[in-house]
Amino acid sequence: EPEVTQTPSHQVTQMGQEVILRCVPISNHLYFYWYRQILGQKVEFLVSFYNNEISEKSEIFDDQFSVERPDGSNFTLKIRSTKLEDSAMYFCASSPENTDTQYFGPGTRLTVL
Amino acid sequence: SQKIEQNSEALNIQEGKTATLTCNYTNYSPAYLQWYRQDPGRGPVFLLLIRENEKEKRKERLKVTFDTTLKQSLFHITASQPADSATYLCALDMKGGSYIPTFGRGTSLIVHP
Repeated sequence: EPEVTQTPSHQVTQMGQEVILRCVPISNHLYFYWYRQILGQKVEFLVSFYNNEISEKSEIFDDQFSVERPDGSNFTLKIRSTKLEDSAMYFCASSPENTDTQYFGPGTRLTVL
Repeated sequence: SQKIEQNSEALNIQEGKTATLTCNYTNYSPAYLQWYRQDPGRGPVFLLLIRENEKEKRKERLKVTFDTTLKQSLFHITASQPADSATYLCALDMKGGSYIPTFGRGTSLIVHP
């Protein structure tokens, strides 16, 4: 069964550094999403992406964040200058059309020191 | 303000019994409600969706009810097994017409052999 994959599984970085989190959505899916989950907290929506542009974003997704689909398979989340409070699990998700069912990847644990 | 409430205390039950988890929400009328399973360090896995005009949905050992008057959903796992131990998340479309789910904090279920 096709799955969303994410790399790396764990990223450790110094405060102020840039990080890029990578995702490969399921191949025939059209909508892509990033969520984050701070340890012990709920899953929070960051951004959705369709047709090579952002379709929705939350107030968490400020100018420090950007997303890109650099080729036909990858979907990336960039954090320009990481802060301690960016430490969290980041989940990528995709869906085949604008439906209410999303398929989540295993997540990248980001630790900012 | 809009809220999704799930019991923060873990639910401990014996194998073979029916587990019942509760999701309450306030100040909103969602078009649908979803239940996800999340294992430690992993992404949410979609289980079931129920729409506002549906009272009940079943899938194998799972059953979801949706009472829009009480603003509550119940999630049942019958004949529970230790492998059902996980955190179960409730999610609603908190923005009307959006396909972006807003998650509750989840309830941990522990099934003892």
